[in-house]
Amino acid sequence: QKEVEQDPGPLSVPEGAIVSLNCTYSNSAFQYFMWYRQYSRKGPELLMYTYSSGNKEDGRFTAQVDKSSKYISLFIRDSQPSDSATYLCAAKFGNEKLTFGTGTRLTIIP
Amino acid sequence: GAVVSQHPSRVICKSGTSVKIECRSLDFQATTMFWYRQFPKQSLMLMATSNEGSKATYEQGVEKDKFLINHASLTLSTLTVTSAHPEDSSFYICSARFQGYGELFFGEGSRLTVL
Repeated sequence: QKEVEQDPGPLSVPEGAIVSLNCTYSNSAFQYFMWYRQYSRKGPELLMYTYSSGNKEDGRFTAQVDKSSKYISLFIRDSQPSDSATYLCAAKFGNEKLTFGTGTRLTIIP
Repeated sequence: GAVVSQHPSRVICKSGTSVKIECRSLDFQATTMFWYRQFPKQSLMLMATSNEGSKATYEQGVEKDKFLINHASLTLSTLTVTSAHPEDSSFYICSARFQGYGELFFGEGSRLTVL
């Protein structure tokens, strides 16, 4: 079992819809949770960085962490074609290395 | 967010030659940098952790003599693919840690093609 599981998709939604991306993890020691967006042939771009459980909002993006169920979510409101990319969840504890999910390929249909 | 610059973005070389890729943190000092490899439609695979002033720590299965990593300053780490072969063709990405346990910021990636 991978430490971070993520549905690879692909996921297609119409423009303007709310997108929900999810990951589960198995290592209860994870404290820091991140979401990255990666466009084709580019490096990952950090979208959200959260510590422990709770919600964090930044513009159209909301990250949720539920440590009791080991569940990580990213919501995108008013989705745009420019949001089409691969979204990677990641987790770590302390100063350790990041553990990535496999990434979900998202397409927003105009 | 913090900026990490990677160079070159694309490189094509002949089999048997060596290729150096640079990773720079432009607006912060990074005591720790990471090197990843990514195959098409797959997630990032950590190759090694690079600490300034000390030897890199390689992940299991990564040949340290093949992938030489140097972290000579707080803003620069280099990855040298030695005696490159076609199977080394891949997308290589570096990242740098911002302050202690903080966020990891990634470079733009370097696409290596070995002919």
